[in-house]
Formats: sequence, C-alpha cells, structure tokens
Amino acid sequence: EAGVAQSPRYKIIEKRQSVAFWCNPISGHATLYWYQQILGQGPKLLIQFQNNGVVDDSQLPKDRFSAERLKGVDSTLKIQPAKLEDSAVYLCASSLGGDDYGYTFGSGTRLTVV
Amino acid sequence: QQQVKQSPQSLIVQKGGISIINCAYENTAFDYFPWYQQFPGKGPALLIAIRPDVSEKKEGRFTISFNKSAKQFSLHIMDSQPGDSATYFCAARTARQLTFGSGTQLTVLP
Repeated sequence: EAGVAQSPRYKIIEKRQSVAFWCNPISGHATLYWYQQILGQGPKLLIQFQNNGVVDDSQLPKDRFSAERLKGVDSTLKIQPAKLEDSAVYLCASSLGGDDYGYTFGSGTRLTVV
Repeated sequence: QQQVKQSPQSLIVQKGGISIINCAYENTAFDYFPWYQQFPGKGPALLIAIRPDVSEKKEGRFTISFNKSAKQFSLHIMDSQPGDSATYFCAARTARQLTFGSGTQLTVLP
C-alpha cells in the first residue's frame, strides 16, 4: 500500500511569514495526526482528526497554527505568522482508528524559520 | 503524568554487541507501548510493541522487556549491526494519544 504522503519536503521562510503543509494519509485510514518534532526531541502531537472532525487539539498553538481535514481525507497544517521556535520537522501520521494501534508516519516537512 | 522518560540520550556499541534502551512512565492509563526506529530524513517507523499484560516480546533480534510494577520498559537489540544505527523512540499510548520519549541515538560501530 502507498504510504503517507507529505509535501513539501523542505521549506525555508522568514519569521512572520506564513506556511502550509499538506498530508495525504493511507487510503481508508480514518485517523490523521500532525506531530511537531524539534531537533533532538521526540515527536509531539499537535492535532488529531477522526475523519474530518477534531479529536484532540489541546497542544496546538491556536493563535498561530491551524489545521483542517476536508472530506476526511487530505489535511493541511498552516502556521501564520511563523516564529523562529517553529523550526522543526512536521510529521503527519495516519491509522485505521478504533482499536488499531498502528501508526504510519510520513517522511515529514522540515521547516526552517530564519 | 503524560511524560515518557527515555535513556540514554546516545549509545555507541560495537557490531555484534547488545544495545539496551530504557524508558519509564507514570501514567497507568497507558495501555500500549511501541518502539519506533527513525532514520535521518524519514518518519518514525514502528519496530515492535507490547501491551502491559505481557512481560516480554521478541521479534527477531529485537526484544521488549516490560515491568508493570516498576512502570519501566526497555528495548534490547541483540547482535547489533551497523544498519541498526538510527534514533529509537519509546512511546506509550492512551486511548487517544501516543506520547513519545525523547529518543536515543544509536551508533553501531563496524
């Protein structure tokens, strides 16, 4: 099966600019996650979708980050305006949901804010 | 209480040696404990996982040991190979969220 697709792979922006990341999960996976991985740290959950509804966004900095999952398939994560501390790899993962505990991660988007 | 503490931060072993990475948790609501392997430029990939009703799980050269009373679990990599050089993350899951440890960078010398 095809994996989780993410784009772009790399992005360099200046602080206060905006940026958007795209994720296409594995076909049929109802649950989609966005994680932030700062260099040298483990991934941290930003937001979790079940189909097109938000299950958990408690760790999403909502003053600058937003995410949507239209039609319960693709998802977009946006940062506006970006700060230097947003430099990280943004990982998208998907799973079947329910009792399925298997997450599949994409390769991520490496964001550098200068 | 959602934290998962992982050690060591980095580990260097000789080819053929045993690599051991340890994790500890506090939240007794965690019900699934996976280990992920991450190569540079790639996302984490599930390596092996265990549920708390089992004390040990082995898959090939990889073994998870789980101590429920101590709230600790560890990954053992037997006969470590240079191709095992990667960053390893332990994780723990509640019904809604997967929490990762801080990672261990493993280097296996040829």
